[in-house]
Amino acid sequence: EVQLVESGGGLVKPGGSLRLSCAASGFTFSSYSMNWVRQAPGKGLEWVSSISSSSSYIYYADSVKGRFTISRDNAKNSLYLQMNSLRAEDTAVYYCAREVVTLRSYYFDYWGQGTLVTVSS
Amino acid sequence: DIQLTQSPSFLSASVGDRVTITCRASQGISSYLAWYQQKPGKAPKLLIYAASTLQSGVPSRFSGSGSGTEFTLTISSLQPEDFATYYCQQLNSYPRTFGPGTKVDIK
Repeated sequence: EVQLVESGGGLVKPGGSLRLSCAASGFTFSSYSMNWVRQAPGKGLEWVSSISSSSSYIYYADSVKGRFTISRDNAKNSLYLQMNSLRAEDTAVYYCAREVVTLRSYYFDYWGQGTLVTVSS
Repeated sequence: DIQLTQSPSFLSASVGDRVTITCRASQGISSYLAWYQQKPGKAPKLLIYAASTLQSGVPSRFSGSGSGTEFTLTISSLQPEDFATYYCQQLNSYPRTFGPGTKVDIK
């Protein structure tokens, strides 16, 4: 059974840092691109960042570029999001999601349960 | 960046109703579109990918169509468990934008 379990969320002051983790199991983690998606309280979904299976390709939303860093450790079946210079508007539930990449389609087929990040003084 | 709009943003319907949600892209995205269902406090769930392919395990009352810039998600007969918020997402290019969502509520 595919499982994605996020951790590392919590309360942090503006300007602070936090590192999120996503532990993957039930599939060959090293074969899949992975993503972070966030959702501010009462708001819609916002894609944050993507990393390819071998970390060769990395993409960020403009809203986090230069402040957040996505990474992965295929040996540990884990995905990470290092978040620096946090702002109040980064307050959200952060989900990790597996991306399926085929010749004719891309989609996020499995999602974790999310971890809440609250940025407040 | 590709922008997605959804209409309506809110929909009130009854059990058994046929429901259609539209997603429009600001530029052509071929068929690189997915639909997700999200219930309060839960992670999104994939319903449709490649605009019209039903994800395994998703009931056949859900269907998707469209290509280019206009897409639709149809629920042929709304069931009690379908009351949720629905999001489209384009995967043609980065950033992987989502639509603003359509909340389907009980009439």
